[in-house]
Parts: sequence; C-alpha cells; structure tokens
Amino acid sequence: QVQLQESGPGLVKPSETLSLTCAVAAYSISSGNYWGWIRQSPGRGLEWIGSIYHTGTADYNASLKSRVTISLDMSKNQFSLKLTSVTAADTAVYYCARSGPTVLTGLDYWGQGALVIVSS
Amino acid sequence: DTQMTQSASSLSASVGDRVTITCQASHDIDKYLSWYQQKPGKAPKLLIYDASNLETGVPSRFSGSGSGTDFTFTISSLQPEDIATYYCQQYDNLPLTFGGGTKVEIK
Repeated sequence: QVQLQESGPGLVKPSETLSLTCAVAAYSISSGNYWGWIRQSPGRGLEWIGSIYHTGTADYNASLKSRVTISLDMSKNQFSLKLTSVTAADTAVYYCARSGPTVLTGLDYWGQGALVIVSS
Repeated sequence: DTQMTQSASSLSASVGDRVTITCQASHDIDKYLSWYQQKPGKAPKLLIYDASNLETGVPSRFSGSGSGTDFTFTISSLQPEDIATYYCQQYDNLPLTFGGGTKVEIK
C-alpha cells in the first residue's frame, strides 16, 4: 500500500519560507508518476500548487509559480515544497499526493495533510 | 483556468436514498474528471476517475457519468458511512482545479 507522509513546521512567520517534505513508502518515486502538492483552506477550498515528474520536470499553478519550488530527493524517496514570502493567505492544510504518468490525471494516493499557520 | 461549479454546497438525505451531486465545468473537459470523498480531518479519497470509472476497492453504490461540461455523481443507496464532503476535479488542462464541494448529511 502506497503511503505518503507530510512533515515540516506547523508555524511560519509572514515573509518567510514555508518548507514541507513528503516521504513516500512502499513505492519508488522514480517509478514514472507525478508527485504533487495541494492545499486546502476555508477561503480557497482545494487548490493545486504544483506537481513534479520523476525526471525533475515540474508544473506549477501560475497563481503561485513565482513563489513555489517543488523538488525530488531520490535517495530518500521523498519530495519537497518550498513557498516563499508567505502571508496569512497561505495558511492552509497542505497535502502531498500521487498522480499518474502525466500531470493530467486524478490523484490516487494522498498524505494525511499538514496544517501550516502563517503568523508572527 | 477551468472553473468547476458544484451547485449544491450541501444536501440532506435519508439512509437508503439515492443521492445525486452535479458538477459543471466552465470549458469542455471531455471525460477528464475525478470525484473525491473527504471525511472530517482526513485527506480526499479518489472514488471515480475519467468521469465514470470506479477506483479499485470503492463500493459499487458509487457511480459517475457525464462528459464535456456537465457531470453527475450518484450514491445509489446512501449509507451512514457516506457522510462526507464530495469534490469534483478536472484534469483536462492546467491548473488542475476542484469544485467547491458538496456536503452530504443524514436527514
């Protein structure tokens, strides 16, 4: 059973960088899937942030592209999210998830979610 | 961006009822739509992909239909464990976008 687990600070100060990691178990991230980040907040609902392929090719939501970087760590079988210059509007539950062999697929495995609060 | 609209933000039904949820896309998305179930405090769970295909292990009382801009998700006989919020998501084009959700409650 594929398992994903988010980790990272639950509290980030405004203007700083939000960093989260998603550890994947029981499946190699080099197997040919896209791996993505989605966030959920009461105000914005579910919002796709971006996804990365095992080759390192990434696609981002244009609304966040200037602030987002998603990267892979094959040696640890995990991938990461960095979101710079955060504001209170970035407060949300952040999920990592697996897509299919293209970014244009559904998301079949999700992590449990990590609540990140942006506050001083 | 393709906007996904779920017209009902909530609905109430009795156990055993047939429940239908609709989702409308702002552009033609062919069949490229998934449905998810989300229970409180949990991640969304994929139920349906390509508009009508049931994900492995999902009960057959769940089904989906539609193509183009109009889609329907149906629970043929509502069970107590189906209490959740249901979301549609399009993957015809980027960015991937989700509907606002429909919360299903027991009457």
